[in-house]
Amino acid sequence: GAVVSQHPSWVICKSGTSVKIECRSLDFQATTMFWYRQFPKQSLMLMATSNEGSKATYEQGVEKDKFLINHASLTLSTLTVTSAHPEDSSFYICSAHRGGNEQYFGPGTRLTVT
Amino acid sequence: RKEVEQDPGPFNVPEGATVAFNCTYSNSASQSFFWYRQDCRKEPKLLMSVYSSGNEDGRFTAQLNRASQYISLLIRDSKLSDSATYLCVVGRAGTALIFGKGTTLSVSS
Repeated sequence: GAVVSQHPSWVICKSGTSVKIECRSLDFQATTMFWYRQFPKQSLMLMATSNEGSKATYEQGVEKDKFLINHASLTLSTLTVTSAHPEDSSFYICSAHRGGNEQYFGPGTRLTVT
Repeated sequence: RKEVEQDPGPFNVPEGATVAFNCTYSNSASQSFFWYRQDCRKEPKLLMSVYSSGNEDGRFTAQLNRASQYISLLIRDSKLSDSATYLCVVGRAGTALIFGKGTTLSVSS
């Protein structure tokens, strides 16, 4: 099956710093990738839709200036959490759309902001 | 009202039991329907797609009722390894997936 990787798998950073998370589709090209966030005991919440070569589309309530998304190639999308705060601590998961209804999830990145 | 609603459980059942999960969705324009499984601290993994005609995969049976906007998952002969959180997922235009909060299943020996 298709593989999607994320890096890093976990990160601890200090409040006020920025963290970049990479999402790569390893064996297929993805024109669209999605970024989700999951707090403990909560459902995955769609944050934004990342389209290759164009600006990301953010869901209501997600600050685009805080969560910077770049989809520079057909296999890579990055999410940068700028000026991170403890309330940004969460499990961030990307998924890559392959076509039809096929969507493949990365293993997730656990962010802890101290 | 949440776009996808599930009973959070937990459902605690013995091995061999049959358990059913229900889900409702609010957007009648939803186009695709899935059940995902998520283990603790892991990414969700596709369990099965759900079709109006109903579909079965081994011990798992999924049903979709578009008129009622209702989705179900039936697990027969539960195994210890079935313990996980089961996510009801609905796809909308543009292929974004909307996740329910999940139903936790715990199967005990």
